[in-house]
Amino acid sequence: ETGVTQTPRHLVMGMTNKKSLKCEQHLGHNAMYWYKQSAKKPLELMFVYSLEERVENNSVPSRFSPECPNSSHLFLHLHTLQPEDSALYLCASSQATSGGPWEQYFGPGTRLTVT
Amino acid sequence: AQSVAQPEDQVNVAEGNPLTVKCTYSVSGNPYLFWYVQYPNRGLQFLLKYITGDNLVKGSYGFEAEFNKSQTSFHLKKPSALVSDSALYFCAVRDNGGANNLFFGTGTRLTVIP
Repeated sequence: ETGVTQTPRHLVMGMTNKKSLKCEQHLGHNAMYWYKQSAKKPLELMFVYSLEERVENNSVPSRFSPECPNSSHLFLHLHTLQPEDSALYLCASSQATSGGPWEQYFGPGTRLTVT
Repeated sequence: AQSVAQPEDQVNVAEGNPLTVKCTYSVSGNPYLFWYVQYPNRGLQFLLKYITGDNLVKGSYGFEAEFNKSQTSFHLKKPSALVSDSALYFCAVRDNGGANNLFFGTGTRLTVIP
């Protein structure tokens, strides 16, 4: 996919490690999102950024730390994770965070396994 | 608060038969509804959305969805299923507070049997 890319695609980390997930959108959008996808559960919205400013943080534990240096890039920094944090982490982008409604375009996700 | 429900975890249909994936919604005010599809090892792909107007919305890959206000439903349909339609399908509703946040259902796995 060239619209929204995510790296790495797979990540295995220990509970004491620090790692980062990267997302890049090539669509000229102004809004970016992080979601957590676990089996048999609805997608959980974690963070929303509009023009590099965080506009939503859905009670996500502090061991997840987002960063949005510009409107094309989004990071999710991970540290001291728990096994229950193992999931597929999806990045998405849209035209804006208000108005619309705007469809969101998703990356392929990072499959995270915490050991 | 807004939410969607997908009552079926799994739907099986024979190739060539019509398919329906069900979704019901709960929202105050006008609903903005979406369908997405997820293929294995891929992110979600946008299929279609309902904003206002015609109750039958046409989308990608021959899919369409029927909005029914009285039944608060937004079922996804296709007249003739293909094996390649086998995937996980998600219904979503937008935050009715004005933000573009989406609230997703738990997904329905569609299997098209050759």
